[in-house]
Order: sequence, then structure tokens, then C-alpha cells
Amino acid sequence: ETGVTQSPTHLIKTRGQQVTLRCSSQSGHNTVSWYQQALGQGPQFIFQYYREEENGRGNFPPRFSGLQFPNYSSELNVNALELDDSALYLCASSLKDSRSGNTIYFGEGSWLTVV
Amino acid sequence: SQQGEEDPQALSIQEGENATMNCSYKTSINNLQWYRQNSGRGLVHLILIRSNEREKHSGRLRVTLDTSKKSSSLLITASRAADTASYFCATGPSGTYKYIFGTGTRLKVLA
Repeated sequence: ETGVTQSPTHLIKTRGQQVTLRCSSQSGHNTVSWYQQALGQGPQFIFQYYREEENGRGNFPPRFSGLQFPNYSSELNVNALELDDSALYLCASSLKDSRSGNTIYFGEGSWLTVV
Repeated sequence: SQQGEEDPQALSIQEGENATMNCSYKTSINNLQWYRQNSGRGLVHLILIRSNEREKHSGRLRVTLDTSKKSSSLLITASRAADTASYFCATGPSGTYKYIFGTGTRLKVLA
């Protein structure tokens, strides 16, 4: 039990639609990151939010966007869904307070299927 | 693109045997973390090792880090059927807070 909760667990969307995925961070964590994991692959970094601002971004197009709220919960929004967006989306929270990094804790993920 | 590469891609052993997985990476790092993932589920954190550390233990797990070779290994001793899962290393490159995952090692422990 990591204390990171994600919703929904599974969802199916049609190509071209938009989706919002939600994440509640572990208590006390001020940083949230989102990862995309395609079947059979390792997670790929999408972006990170720290104190409500985007703090780093991976190689994903602008139709992937996010928000972090004052309580450090977060949303991932994906517009104009494509078939290749079908994946497990993982949220991870951590406490950003040192250069050496801290443990990042993952939620159970949201399975997105685009048809 | 993936920075880390786990080796082997798949490993099948008998219960009670030891399992060793390796991870190689390309750039200098702040730390390296190992995770376990059961099929279709989230990632469970196992161990974090910092760049100035060479070895860490946690229960049946032993992790080593060789920054000169840009490699790490995860040893699971006395494996159990419940250890069956995919194992990933995640590297935290210096100067960034993002983590880069390898492609994982699929471990199967036969009872």
C-alpha cells in the first residue's frame, strides 16, 4: 500500500475523444509524476509537477497536459486520443527536497483502451 | 528511448534458487531504484541506492551499484513463487528529477 490512489482503474475511449485521469498523492508528498506504460514495455516519463507547476517533461506531444492542485493531487489530460495512447498510466508521488532524489511511490495505474 | 536495459529479459528458476538481474544505464545518475510489477498492476518500490553507495540489503534483496561501469544488479535469494513478477530498474539522471525505466526482467519462479 503506497498511499497513491488513481482513478478510474479501467476505461475505454474512442479515437479523437478526450480523457482525464486522476491521482491522489501520498500524504506529505509535494511532487507528482506521470508515466505511460505500453504493454510489454517499461514506463515512460510524461511529466512532473512540483508545487502546481510543470517541472519537467518527457517526449510527449502537447495534447498530453496536466494539473497539480494545492493539495498536491493531480490530473492527466489527453486530448484527441489516438490508438497508440492505449496503455497503463501510472502516477507517482515523491517528496522533492534533495538533489540525491527520493523514493517515488506509484499508484496501481489507470488502464486506458482507445478503440 | 530507454536509458536502462535489464538483463536477462526473462528468467525462469526453481523455488529456493537465487535470481540475479542486471541493469545498465548510459548517463551519470543521482540514484537508482528497483521496482517489482505484478501483471497489469502498479510498481512496488524495492530498494533505492544512491550514487555514492555500492551495496544495499533489504530482507532477501541485495542491490549493488557500480557507477564506473554504469551498472547495477538485483539479487533475490531463496526465491519464492510469490516473487514471480517483472522487475525494473529506474535511474535518476543527475540534474533532473525524472526517472528513466528499463524494459524489465520477467522473473518466473516455479514451485
